[in-house]
Amino acid sequence: DTEVTQTPKHLVMGMTNKKSLKCEQHMGHRAMYWYKQKAKKPPELMFVYSYEKLSINESVPSRFSPECPNSSLLNLHLHALQPEDSALYLCASRPTGFGEKLFFGSGTQLSVL
Amino acid sequence: SQQGEEDPQALSIQEGENATMNCSYKTSINNLQWYRQNSGRGLVHLILIRSNEREKHSGRLRVTLDTSKKSSSLLITASRAADTASYFCAPTGKTSGSRLTFGEGTQLTVNP
Repeated sequence: DTEVTQTPKHLVMGMTNKKSLKCEQHMGHRAMYWYKQKAKKPPELMFVYSYEKLSINESVPSRFSPECPNSSLLNLHLHALQPEDSALYLCASRPTGFGEKLFFGSGTQLSVL
Repeated sequence: SQQGEEDPQALSIQEGENATMNCSYKTSINNLQWYRQNSGRGLVHLILIRSNEREKHSGRLRVTLDTSKKSSSLLITASRAADTASYFCAPTGKTSGSRLTFGEGTQLTVNP
């Protein structure tokens, strides 16, 4: 299995809703990433987990809350989002060893109304 | 953090032509990676070139690295309509650690 699976593929939520994005990989990768990508812009790094511990938080607002319950699973909990948070959210994983390539999921297209 | 700058921002060519994209970066690197992204999809890793390599090939892709000029180029030969996508470079510096960031990318359009 060489895939990173993200669910749901599409999500529409109101500003008062709580929702979660899910990412799963079974390649034994010990680093997992969340990126946010607005239309026609590059992906922006949000969080990095290494060995299930948060190693990088790029000053992301607290309405985004990551969680890594085990080495295969990465969640992004969303609460009280703003319309400007609408974007494609990408998950990626990487084998151990800095500088090695990332494997990306297909993303969750999020719309906040 | 280390981030590449791709040039040109947009490139439109005819099928069968070659496409060349460039990436410049600012500080010393361990390696540099190129990724492709089709519209609304995740990124796909294309090729990784290490700082001690000057050129690397993978199928129709050719990547060069000039560490003295802090630049890399990606050449796609005999382009196809399916190559239409955004292309991003990601240089990884000695202090990047786990961080991998992307520049603005080059939007390639291959016309049939």
